[in-house]
Amino acid sequence: ETGVTQTPRHLVMGMTNKKSLKCEQHLGHNAMYWYKQSAKKPLELMFVYNFKEQTENNSVPSRFSPECPNSSHLFLHLHTLQPEDSALYLCASSQGAAGANVLTFGAGSRLTVL
Amino acid sequence: KNQVEQSPQSLIILEGKNCTLQCNYTVSPFSNLRWYKQDTGRGPVSLTIMTFSENTKSNGRYTATLDADTKQSSLHITASQLSDSASYICVVSGGAGGFKTIFGAGTRLFVKA
Repeated sequence: ETGVTQTPRHLVMGMTNKKSLKCEQHLGHNAMYWYKQSAKKPLELMFVYNFKEQTENNSVPSRFSPECPNSSHLFLHLHTLQPEDSALYLCASSQGAAGANVLTFGAGSRLTVL
Repeated sequence: KNQVEQSPQSLIILEGKNCTLQCNYTVSPFSNLRWYKQDTGRGPVSLTIMTFSENTKSNGRYTATLDADTKQSSLHITASQLSDSASYICVVSGGAGGFKTIFGAGTRLFVKA
Protein backbone atom coordinates (compact mmCIF):
# COMPACT_ATOMS: atom_id res chain seq x y z
CA GLU A 1 0.00 0.00 0.00
CA THR A 2 1.56 3.26 -1.13
CA GLY A 3 -0.67 5.64 0.81
CA VAL A 4 -2.69 6.50 -2.30
CA THR A 5 -5.91 4.49 -2.60
CA GLN A 6 -7.97 4.27 -5.77
CA THR A 7 -11.47 2.83 -6.19
CA PRO A 8 -12.84 1.01 -8.00
CA ARG A 9 -9.90 -1.08 -9.19
CA HIS A 10 -11.88 -2.26 -12.23
CA LEU A 11 -14.81 -0.61 -14.01
CA VAL A 12 -16.77 -1.63 -17.10
CA MET A 13 -19.21 0.91 -18.47
CA GLY A 14 -21.28 1.61 -21.54
CA MET A 15 -20.87 4.73 -23.59
CA THR A 16 -24.01 6.30 -22.11
CA ASN A 17 -23.23 5.55 -18.46
CA LYS A 18 -22.08 8.00 -15.81
CA LYS A 19 -19.51 6.76 -13.31
CA SER A 20 -16.82 8.20 -11.04
CA LEU A 21 -13.31 7.21 -10.04
CA LYS A 22 -12.14 8.04 -6.54
CA CYS A 23 -8.68 8.69 -5.15
CA GLU A 24 -7.66 9.29 -1.55
CA GLN A 25 -4.17 9.98 -0.20
CA HIS A 26 -3.05 9.59 3.40
CA LEU A 27 0.40 11.17 2.98
CA GLY A 28 -0.35 14.79 3.82
CA HIS A 29 0.56 15.83 0.27
CA ASN A 30 -0.95 18.98 -1.18
CA ALA A 31 -0.83 18.13 -4.91
CA MET A 32 -2.85 15.45 -6.66
CA TYR A 33 -2.87 14.27 -10.27
CA TRP A 34 -4.82 12.17 -12.75
CA TYR A 35 -2.85 10.27 -15.39
CA LYS A 36 -4.06 8.05 -18.24
CA GLN A 37 -1.97 4.99 -19.14
CA SER A 38 -2.69 3.22 -22.43
CA ALA A 39 -0.87 0.10 -23.60
CA LYS A 40 2.71 0.72 -24.78
CA LYS A 41 2.32 4.51 -24.48
CA PRO A 42 3.83 6.92 -21.95
CA LEU A 43 1.67 8.12 -19.09
CA GLU A 44 -0.43 11.09 -20.14
CA LEU A 45 -1.02 13.84 -17.59
CA MET A 46 -4.69 14.82 -17.44
CA PHE A 47 -5.19 17.14 -14.46
CA VAL A 48 -3.18 18.66 -11.63
CA TYR A 49 -4.58 20.05 -8.39
CA ASN A 50 -2.48 21.99 -5.89
CA PHE A 51 -4.10 22.83 -2.55
CA LYS A 52 -7.41 21.67 -4.15
CA GLU A 53 -7.15 24.27 -6.93
CA GLN A 54 -6.82 23.03 -10.51
CA THR A 55 -3.48 24.20 -11.88
CA GLU A 56 -3.32 22.17 -15.07
CA ASN A 57 -5.79 20.74 -17.56
CA ASN A 58 -3.89 19.03 -20.32
CA SER A 59 -6.50 19.55 -23.08
CA VAL A 60 -8.67 16.76 -21.71
CA PRO A 61 -12.11 16.25 -23.34
CA SER A 62 -15.03 17.54 -21.30
CA ARG A 63 -16.42 14.01 -20.91
CA PHE A 64 -13.79 13.74 -18.13
CA SER A 65 -14.66 16.04 -15.23
CA PRO A 66 -12.35 16.24 -12.20
CA GLU A 67 -13.35 17.27 -8.70
CA CYS A 68 -11.07 18.00 -5.76
CA PRO A 69 -13.08 18.78 -2.60
CA ASN A 70 -9.93 18.88 -0.40
CA SER A 71 -6.22 18.12 -0.58
CA SER A 72 -6.76 14.45 0.31
CA HIS A 73 -9.50 13.50 -2.14
CA LEU A 74 -9.71 13.58 -5.91
CA PHE A 75 -12.49 12.35 -8.19
CA LEU A 76 -12.76 11.82 -11.93
CA HIS A 77 -16.35 11.91 -13.16
CA LEU A 78 -16.96 10.06 -16.40
CA HIS A 79 -19.85 10.44 -18.85
CA THR A 80 -20.53 9.54 -22.49
CA LEU A 81 -17.09 7.99 -22.86
CA GLN A 82 -15.73 6.42 -26.03
CA PRO A 83 -14.14 2.96 -26.42
CA GLU A 84 -10.73 4.63 -26.95
CA ASP A 85 -11.00 5.97 -23.40
CA SER A 86 -10.43 2.42 -22.13
CA ALA A 87 -7.18 2.56 -20.17
CA LEU A 88 -5.62 2.44 -16.71
CA TYR A 89 -6.31 5.68 -14.85
CA LEU A 90 -3.67 6.46 -12.26
CA CYS A 91 -3.96 8.91 -9.41
CA ALA A 92 -0.80 10.33 -7.85
CA SER A 93 0.12 12.79 -5.15
CA SER A 94 3.21 14.80 -4.23
CA GLN A 95 4.41 17.37 -1.75
CA GLY A 96 4.21 20.43 -3.97
CA ALA A 97 3.15 20.45 -7.62
CA ALA A 98 6.52 21.29 -9.18
CA GLY A 99 7.90 18.64 -11.51
CA ALA A 100 10.88 18.01 -9.25
CA ASN A 101 8.77 16.35 -6.56
CA VAL A 102 8.52 12.56 -6.43
CA LEU A 103 5.09 11.25 -7.32
CA THR A 104 3.42 8.54 -5.25
CA PHE A 105 0.97 6.57 -7.36
CA GLY A 106 -2.13 4.60 -6.51
CA ALA A 107 -2.72 1.13 -7.95
CA GLY A 108 -4.94 2.52 -10.69
CA SER A 109 -8.49 2.02 -11.92
CA ARG A 110 -8.75 -0.20 -15.00
CA LEU A 111 -11.55 1.24 -17.16
CA THR A 112 -13.20 -0.59 -20.04
CA VAL A 113 -15.72 1.27 -22.19
CA LEU A 114 -18.00 -0.93 -24.26
CA LYS B 1 10.67 19.18 -28.07
CA ASN B 2 10.97 17.52 -24.66
CA GLN B 3 11.12 13.75 -25.12
CA VAL B 4 12.16 10.61 -23.23
CA GLU B 5 13.04 7.51 -25.25
CA GLN B 6 13.57 4.10 -23.66
CA SER B 7 15.13 0.96 -25.05
CA PRO B 8 14.61 -1.85 -25.49
CA GLN B 9 10.82 -1.91 -25.60
CA SER B 10 10.86 -5.36 -24.01
CA LEU B 11 13.47 -7.76 -22.71
CA ILE B 12 13.52 -11.41 -21.64
CA ILE B 13 16.31 -12.68 -19.38
CA LEU B 14 16.97 -15.74 -17.26
CA GLU B 15 16.77 -15.57 -13.50
CA GLY B 16 20.12 -14.68 -11.97
CA LYS B 17 21.38 -12.77 -15.01
CA ASN B 18 22.14 -9.05 -15.13
CA CYS B 19 20.54 -6.57 -17.52
CA THR B 20 20.73 -2.89 -18.43
CA LEU B 21 17.89 -0.66 -19.55
CA GLN B 22 18.50 2.59 -21.44
CA CYS B 23 16.90 6.02 -21.33
CA ASN B 24 17.74 8.96 -23.61
CA TYR B 25 16.14 12.36 -23.12
CA THR B 26 16.01 15.78 -24.73
CA VAL B 27 14.39 17.65 -21.81
CA SER B 28 16.04 21.01 -21.24
CA PRO B 29 16.85 22.54 -18.88
CA PHE B 30 17.21 19.40 -16.80
CA SER B 31 15.99 19.12 -13.21
CA ASN B 32 16.02 15.44 -12.26
CA LEU B 33 15.62 11.92 -13.60
CA ARG B 34 13.70 9.14 -11.92
CA TRP B 35 13.28 5.44 -12.56
CA TYR B 36 10.01 3.81 -11.58
CA LYS B 37 9.07 0.12 -11.42
CA GLN B 38 5.51 -0.80 -12.33
CA ASP B 39 4.28 -4.31 -11.54
CA THR B 40 1.36 -5.64 -13.57
CA GLY B 41 -1.90 -4.24 -12.27
CA ARG B 42 -0.17 -1.77 -9.93
CA GLY B 43 0.89 1.84 -10.03
CA PRO B 44 4.53 2.89 -10.61
CA VAL B 45 6.83 2.89 -7.58
CA SER B 46 9.93 5.12 -7.40
CA LEU B 47 13.29 3.30 -7.49
CA THR B 48 15.84 6.12 -7.78
CA ILE B 49 15.99 9.86 -8.31
CA MET B 50 19.06 11.71 -9.60
CA THR B 51 19.81 15.37 -10.03
CA PHE B 52 22.31 17.01 -12.37
CA SER B 53 25.29 16.54 -10.04
CA GLU B 54 24.73 12.82 -9.41
CA ASN B 55 26.00 10.23 -11.88
CA THR B 56 25.16 7.03 -10.04
CA LYS B 57 22.68 5.91 -7.42
CA SER B 58 21.86 2.46 -6.08
CA ASN B 59 18.80 0.91 -4.50
CA GLY B 60 19.59 -2.69 -3.59
CA ARG B 61 20.17 -4.64 -6.81
CA TYR B 62 19.17 -1.63 -8.90
CA THR B 63 21.85 0.88 -9.98
CA ALA B 64 21.00 3.93 -12.04
CA THR B 65 23.56 6.03 -13.90
CA LEU B 66 23.21 9.47 -15.39
CA ASP B 67 25.34 11.25 -17.99
CA ALA B 68 23.93 14.76 -18.14
CA ASP B 69 26.31 15.72 -20.97
CA THR B 70 25.03 13.07 -23.37
CA LYS B 71 21.54 13.11 -21.76
CA GLN B 72 21.54 9.39 -21.16
CA SER B 73 20.63 7.24 -18.20
CA SER B 74 20.74 3.52 -17.59
CA LEU B 75 19.22 1.20 -15.02
CA HIS B 76 21.30 -1.88 -14.24
CA ILE B 77 19.67 -4.83 -12.50
CA THR B 78 22.04 -7.30 -10.87
CA ALA B 79 21.28 -10.98 -10.22
CA SER B 80 17.73 -10.71 -11.49
CA GLN B 81 14.85 -12.36 -9.67
CA LEU B 82 11.42 -13.44 -10.88
CA SER B 83 9.93 -10.52 -8.95
CA ASP B 84 11.88 -8.10 -11.15
CA SER B 85 9.43 -8.86 -13.96
CA ALA B 86 7.74 -5.50 -14.48
CA SER B 87 7.76 -2.35 -16.57
CA TYR B 88 10.54 0.13 -15.84
CA ILE B 89 9.71 3.74 -16.60
CA CYS B 90 12.19 6.59 -16.99
CA VAL B 91 10.83 10.00 -16.01
CA VAL B 92 12.60 13.32 -16.58
CA SER B 93 11.61 16.65 -15.04
CA GLY B 94 12.71 20.00 -16.34
CA GLY B 95 11.82 22.69 -18.78
CA ALA B 96 11.21 26.31 -17.88
CA GLY B 97 10.60 26.55 -14.14
CA GLY B 98 11.19 22.80 -13.74
CA PHE B 99 7.47 22.12 -13.96
CA LYS B 100 7.37 19.62 -16.85
CA THR B 101 7.45 15.90 -16.10
CA ILE B 102 8.03 13.75 -19.18
CA PHE B 103 7.45 9.99 -19.05
CA GLY B 104 9.10 7.37 -21.23
CA ALA B 105 6.99 4.54 -22.64
CA GLY B 106 8.80 2.03 -20.43
CA THR B 107 10.75 -1.19 -20.90
CA ARG B 108 8.86 -4.40 -20.20
CA LEU B 109 11.18 -6.89 -18.47
CA PHE B 110 10.38 -10.60 -18.23
CA VAL B 111 12.56 -12.71 -15.93
CA LYS B 112 12.23 -16.45 -16.61
CA ALA B 113 13.15 -19.34 -14.32
